[in-house]
Amino acid sequence: EAGVTQFPSHSVIEKGQTVTLRCDPISGHDNLYWYRRVMGKEIKFLLHFVKESKQDESGMPNNRFLAERTGGTYSTLKVQPAELEDSGVYFCASSQFGSEAFFGQGTRLTVV
Amino acid sequence: RKEVEQDPGPFNVPEGATVAFNCTYSNSASQSFFWYRQDCRKEPKLLMSVYSSGNEDGRFTAQLNRASQYISLLIRDSKLSDSATYLCVVSPRGGYNKLIFGAGTRLAVHP
Repeated sequence: EAGVTQFPSHSVIEKGQTVTLRCDPISGHDNLYWYRRVMGKEIKFLLHFVKESKQDESGMPNNRFLAERTGGTYSTLKVQPAELEDSGVYFCASSQFGSEAFFGQGTRLTVV
Repeated sequence: RKEVEQDPGPFNVPEGATVAFNCTYSNSASQSFFWYRQDCRKEPKLLMSVYSSGNEDGRFTAQLNRASQYISLLIRDSKLSDSATYLCVVSPRGGYNKLIFGAGTRLAVHP
């Protein structure tokens, strides 16, 4: 069975540009989460989808970040415009209700 | 104050050693507790859940003290393959929703 898949694995963009990260959860998982780890800090929660609905977006840092999960399958996280402090590793995770959350390998974003 | 605090490490131990990691959390209403393992440049992976009664999985023993808001992980007979970063993780709402991660403790097991 395929795990959580994230695209791209790496992205280098200039400050002010837009980047879209994609996450394909494990098939059938209703819960989808986005997390990120900035350099030297702990992994932090960004938001939680249940199917296509945002259950909790309390961790989203500001309105430059937009997450969508149309149709309740894959999700995208768009950063527009990107700032230097957005650099880090963005992880996606998915789970069935009450079961273990499995993480993708992450997208390493570098804003220069 | 961080929501989840861990020993900063790194811990450098020889093969066969016993090593203990500690963690404290600030939200007394937290519902679920875990240890995750993260290898360099990889994703976090669940090592084990932690229960008040204590639980063991092979060489790994985890313990939760709700009164002290303290979580521990003991690794016995360390193997080279145990080298990784160990993340203490708490869920305020229970289950795997909105996981709060500690910064991690790095373990290096040497021959």
